Amino acid sequence: EVQLVESGGGVVQPGGSLRLSCAASGFTFDDYAMHWVRQAPGKGLEWVSLISGDGGSTKYADSVKGRFTISRDNSKNSLYLQMNSLRTEDTALYYCAKDIEARAQYSYHFDYWGQGTLVTVSS
Amino acid sequence: DIQMTQSPSSLSASVGDRVTITCRASQTISSYLNWYQQKPGKAPNLLIYAASSLQSGVPSRFSGSGSGTDFTLTISSLQPEDFATYYCQQSYITPPTFGQGTKLEIK
Repeated sequence: EVQLVESGGGVVQPGGSLRLSCAASGFTFDDYAMHWVRQAPGKGLEWVSLISGDGGSTKYADSVKGRFTISRDNSKNSLYLQMNSLRTEDTALYYCAKDIEARAQYSYHFDYWGQGTLVTVSS
Repeated sequence: DIQMTQSPSSLSASVGDRVTITCRASQTISSYLNWYQQKPGKAPNLLIYAASSLQSGVPSRFSGSGSGTDFTLTISSLQPEDFATYYCQQSYITPPTFGQGTKLEIK
């Protein structure tokens, strides 16, 4: 059974930093690209970032480019999101999501999602 | 970025009704269109990918159609568990973008 479990969320002041983690199980982790998708309270979904299965390719939404860094440790079946220079508009539930395509760079189809970790940026 | 516009934004329907939700892309996306269902307090769940392919485990009352810029999600006979918010999403180019959502409520 595929499981994705996020952690690391919390309350942080504007300008602060936070590192999110996503522990994956139930599939061959390094065969799949992984994504972070966020959802502000009461709002819709916004894609944040992706990393390819081997970690060699990354992409970011313009809204987080230069502030967030996605990474993965395939030996630990774990995905990360380092968030720096946080803004109030980054307040959201952050989901990690698995790409549907095995051994492709990425396809932007998200077939499994974690339950999310809440990041609140507030003074 | 490609803008995805769903209609309606909200919809009231009864159990057993046939329901259609529309999604329009601001430019052509071929068939790179996915549909998700999200229930309150839960993560989104993939229903349809590539415009019309049913994700494994999803009931056959859900179907998708369309190509280019116009797409539809149809639920043939609403069940109580189908009352949720539905999102379309384009997977044609980076960044992938979502529609604003359609909230399906019980009449």
